[in-house]
Amino acid sequence: QKEVEQDPGPLSVPEGAIVSLNCTYSNSAFQYFMWYRQYSRKGPELLMYTYSSGNKEDGRFTAQVDKSSKYISLFIRDSQPSDSATYLCAMNKAAGNKLTFGGGTRVLVKP
Amino acid sequence: DADVTQTPRNRITKTGKRIMLECSQTKGHDRMYWYRQDPGLGLRLIYYSFDVKDINKGEISDGYSVSRQAQAKFSLSLESAIPNQTALYFCATSDPRNYGYTFGSGTRLTVV
Repeated sequence: QKEVEQDPGPLSVPEGAIVSLNCTYSNSAFQYFMWYRQYSRKGPELLMYTYSSGNKEDGRFTAQVDKSSKYISLFIRDSQPSDSATYLCAMNKAAGNKLTFGGGTRVLVKP
Repeated sequence: DADVTQTPRNRITKTGKRIMLECSQTKGHDRMYWYRQDPGLGLRLIYYSFDVKDINKGEISDGYSVSRQAQAKFSLSLESAIPNQTALYFCATSDPRNYGYTFGSGTRLTVV
Protein backbone atom coordinates (compact mmCIF):
# COMPACT_ATOMS: atom_id res chain seq x y z
CA GLN A 1 0.00 0.00 0.00
CA LYS A 2 1.29 3.45 -0.91
CA GLU A 3 2.01 5.91 1.86
CA VAL A 4 0.04 8.61 0.07
CA GLU A 5 -3.09 7.87 -1.97
CA GLN A 6 -4.66 10.23 -4.50
CA ASP A 7 -7.46 9.64 -7.00
CA PRO A 8 -5.95 9.90 -10.50
CA GLY A 9 -9.06 11.41 -12.11
CA PRO A 10 -9.55 12.92 -14.58
CA LEU A 11 -11.80 15.36 -12.82
CA SER A 12 -13.77 17.41 -15.34
CA VAL A 13 -15.65 20.54 -14.24
CA PRO A 14 -17.25 23.53 -15.99
CA GLU A 15 -15.57 26.91 -15.75
CA GLY A 16 -16.54 28.70 -12.53
CA ALA A 17 -17.16 25.52 -10.54
CA ILE A 18 -15.36 24.57 -7.34
CA VAL A 19 -12.68 21.93 -7.76
CA SER A 20 -12.22 19.62 -4.78
CA LEU A 21 -9.09 17.47 -4.51
CA ASN A 22 -7.92 15.25 -1.71
CA CYS A 23 -5.26 12.84 -0.49
CA THR A 24 -5.11 10.29 2.27
CA TYR A 25 -1.92 9.14 3.93
CA SER A 26 -0.85 6.43 6.35
CA ASN A 27 2.26 7.79 8.10
CA SER A 28 1.32 9.83 11.17
CA ALA A 29 4.84 11.32 11.27
CA PHE A 30 4.07 13.62 8.33
CA GLN A 31 3.92 17.23 9.52
CA TYR A 32 4.23 19.39 6.41
CA PHE A 33 1.74 19.17 3.58
CA MET A 34 2.02 20.66 0.13
CA TRP A 35 0.14 20.88 -3.13
CA TYR A 36 1.97 21.10 -6.44
CA ARG A 37 0.53 21.97 -9.83
CA GLN A 38 2.02 20.42 -12.95
CA TYR A 39 1.24 21.53 -16.47
CA SER A 40 1.86 19.17 -19.36
CA ARG A 41 5.57 18.78 -20.19
CA LYS A 42 6.56 20.94 -17.23
CA GLY A 43 7.97 20.30 -13.79
CA PRO A 44 5.71 20.56 -10.73
CA GLU A 45 5.47 23.97 -9.08
CA LEU A 46 4.58 24.63 -5.47
CA LEU A 47 1.05 25.92 -5.03
CA MET A 48 0.28 25.74 -1.32
CA TYR A 49 1.82 24.45 1.87
CA THR A 50 0.49 23.96 5.39
CA TYR A 51 1.98 22.83 8.64
CA SER A 52 0.09 20.36 10.85
CA SER A 53 -3.70 20.60 10.96
CA GLY A 54 -5.79 23.56 9.88
CA ASN A 55 -6.77 25.66 6.89
CA LYS A 56 -4.83 28.01 4.67
CA GLU A 57 -6.25 30.31 2.03
CA ASP A 58 -4.45 32.00 -0.86
CA GLY A 59 -6.64 33.75 -3.37
CA ARG A 60 -8.88 31.17 -5.03
CA PHE A 61 -7.07 28.28 -3.34
CA THR A 62 -7.79 26.76 0.08
CA ALA A 63 -5.78 23.93 1.61
CA GLN A 64 -7.09 21.90 4.55
CA VAL A 65 -5.31 19.35 6.71
CA ASP A 66 -7.01 16.95 9.11
CA LYS A 67 -4.25 15.01 10.81
CA SER A 68 -6.66 13.01 12.97
CA SER A 69 -8.15 11.53 9.79
CA LYS A 70 -4.89 11.59 7.82
CA TYR A 71 -6.68 13.51 5.08
CA ILE A 72 -5.76 16.65 3.18
CA SER A 73 -7.77 18.68 0.69
CA LEU A 74 -7.32 21.43 -1.87
CA PHE A 75 -10.23 23.55 -3.08
CA ILE A 76 -10.11 25.79 -6.13
CA ARG A 77 -12.90 28.37 -6.31
CA ASP A 78 -14.12 30.01 -9.51
CA SER A 79 -12.11 27.55 -11.59
CA GLN A 80 -10.62 28.72 -14.88
CA PRO A 81 -9.48 26.81 -17.97
CA SER A 82 -5.94 27.79 -16.98
CA ASP A 83 -6.37 25.65 -13.85
CA SER A 84 -6.38 22.56 -16.06
CA ALA A 85 -3.35 20.62 -14.89
CA THR A 86 -2.29 17.69 -12.73
CA TYR A 87 -2.33 18.40 -9.00
CA LEU A 88 0.01 16.46 -6.74
CA CYS A 89 -0.11 16.35 -2.99
CA ALA A 90 3.19 15.92 -1.13
CA MET A 91 4.24 15.69 2.46
CA ASN A 92 7.27 15.23 4.71
CA LYS A 93 8.25 14.83 8.32
CA ALA A 94 10.33 17.98 8.66
CA ALA A 95 10.99 21.14 6.70
CA GLY A 96 13.53 20.52 3.95
CA ASN A 97 13.30 16.74 4.17
CA LYS A 98 12.58 14.51 1.22
CA LEU A 99 9.00 14.62 0.04
CA THR A 100 6.59 11.75 -0.49
CA PHE A 101 4.16 12.42 -3.33
CA GLY A 102 0.69 11.23 -4.21
CA GLY A 103 0.05 9.93 -7.71
CA GLY A 104 -1.57 13.17 -8.90
CA THR A 105 -5.09 14.08 -10.02
CA ARG A 106 -5.65 15.39 -13.53
CA VAL A 107 -8.11 18.28 -13.61
CA LEU A 108 -9.88 19.58 -16.72
CA VAL A 109 -11.79 22.87 -16.54
CA LYS A 110 -14.03 23.27 -19.57
CA PRO A 111 -14.97 26.75 -20.88
CA ASP B 1 17.80 31.22 -17.26
CA ALA B 2 15.81 28.59 -15.39
CA ASP B 3 16.63 27.96 -11.72
CA VAL B 4 16.99 24.22 -12.41
CA THR B 5 18.16 23.11 -15.85
CA GLN B 6 17.98 19.55 -17.06
CA THR B 7 19.61 18.16 -20.17
CA PRO B 8 18.65 16.59 -22.45
CA ARG B 9 14.90 17.36 -22.64
CA ASN B 10 14.21 14.21 -24.63
CA ARG B 11 16.26 11.11 -25.25
CA ILE B 12 15.69 7.82 -26.98
CA THR B 13 18.21 5.12 -26.24
CA LYS B 14 18.61 1.41 -26.82
CA THR B 15 18.45 -1.36 -24.25
CA GLY B 16 21.84 -1.95 -22.66
CA LYS B 17 23.24 1.49 -23.37
CA ARG B 18 24.69 3.71 -20.65
CA ILE B 19 23.08 7.11 -20.42
CA MET B 20 23.61 10.17 -18.24
CA LEU B 21 21.04 12.83 -17.38
CA GLU B 22 22.41 16.12 -16.16
CA CYS B 23 21.05 18.71 -13.78
CA SER B 24 22.36 22.09 -12.71
CA GLN B 25 20.82 24.69 -10.40
CA THR B 26 21.40 28.35 -9.71
CA LYS B 27 19.45 28.54 -6.42
CA GLY B 28 22.57 28.02 -4.31
CA HIS B 29 20.91 25.19 -2.35
CA ASP B 30 22.80 22.22 -1.00
CA ARG B 31 19.96 19.70 -1.34
CA MET B 32 19.27 18.07 -4.68
CA TYR B 33 17.01 15.19 -5.75
CA TRP B 34 16.27 12.91 -8.66
CA TYR B 35 12.72 11.65 -9.17
CA ARG B 36 11.04 9.62 -11.86
CA GLN B 37 7.41 10.06 -12.83
CA ASP B 38 5.23 7.34 -14.28
CA PRO B 39 1.50 7.67 -15.07
CA GLY B 40 -0.58 7.01 -11.95
CA LEU B 41 2.47 6.49 -9.74
CA GLY B 42 3.36 10.09 -9.11
CA LEU B 43 6.94 11.06 -8.36
CA ARG B 44 9.21 8.43 -6.86
CA LEU B 45 12.55 9.29 -5.33
CA ILE B 46 15.61 7.72 -6.94
CA TYR B 47 18.53 9.43 -5.14
CA TYR B 48 19.06 12.52 -3.05
CA SER B 49 22.02 14.52 -1.87
CA PHE B 50 22.09 16.95 1.07
CA ASP B 51 25.56 18.23 0.21
CA VAL B 52 28.46 17.41 -2.11
CA LYS B 53 29.74 14.59 0.11
CA ASP B 54 26.35 13.18 1.04
CA ILE B 55 24.56 10.81 -1.36
CA ASN B 56 21.55 8.71 -0.35
CA LYS B 57 19.43 6.10 -2.05
CA GLY B 58 15.75 6.73 -2.46
CA GLU B 59 12.95 4.21 -2.80
CA ILE B 60 13.82 3.04 -6.34
CA SER B 61 17.62 3.32 -6.74
CA ASP B 62 18.27 -0.09 -8.34
CA GLY B 63 19.68 0.32 -11.85
CA TYR B 64 20.66 3.94 -11.26
CA SER B 65 23.72 5.78 -9.97
CA VAL B 66 24.43 9.44 -9.30
CA SER B 67 27.33 11.85 -9.12
CA ARG B 68 27.38 15.17 -7.27
CA GLN B 69 30.11 17.06 -9.11
CA ALA B 70 29.58 20.36 -7.31
CA GLN B 71 26.97 22.11 -5.21
CA ALA B 72 25.18 23.11 -8.38
CA LYS B 73 25.47 19.87 -10.37
CA PHE B 74 23.87 16.49 -9.81
CA SER B 75 23.82 13.88 -12.58
CA LEU B 76 21.90 10.62 -12.87
CA SER B 77 23.23 7.61 -14.78
CA LEU B 78 21.57 4.49 -16.06
CA GLU B 79 24.41 2.00 -16.34
CA SER B 80 22.57 -0.40 -18.64
CA ALA B 81 19.21 0.99 -19.70
CA ILE B 82 16.16 -1.27 -19.81
CA PRO B 83 12.69 -0.57 -21.24
CA ASN B 84 10.96 -0.26 -17.84
CA GLN B 85 13.19 2.75 -17.16
CA THR B 86 11.19 4.62 -19.77
CA ALA B 87 9.77 7.55 -17.79
CA LEU B 88 9.87 11.27 -17.15
CA TYR B 89 12.82 12.19 -14.92
CA PHE B 90 12.89 15.28 -12.74
CA CYS B 91 15.69 16.94 -10.85
CA ALA B 92 14.84 19.22 -7.93
CA THR B 93 16.52 21.34 -5.30
CA SER B 94 15.31 22.53 -1.90
CA ASP B 95 16.16 24.93 0.86
CA PRO B 96 16.05 23.29 4.33
CA ARG B 97 14.62 26.50 5.79
CA ASN B 98 11.38 26.27 3.85
CA TYR B 99 9.05 23.81 2.33
CA GLY B 100 9.08 23.90 -1.42
CA TYR B 101 11.12 22.13 -4.01
CA THR B 102 12.14 23.80 -7.25
CA PHE B 103 11.89 21.36 -10.12
CA GLY B 104 13.50 21.31 -13.53
CA SER B 105 11.40 20.85 -16.67
CA GLY B 106 12.19 17.16 -16.87
CA THR B 107 13.86 14.71 -19.22
CA ARG B 108 11.63 12.36 -21.18
CA LEU B 109 13.60 9.13 -21.57
CA THR B 110 12.53 6.30 -23.85
CA VAL B 111 14.40 3.00 -23.79
CA VAL B 112 13.72 0.82 -26.84
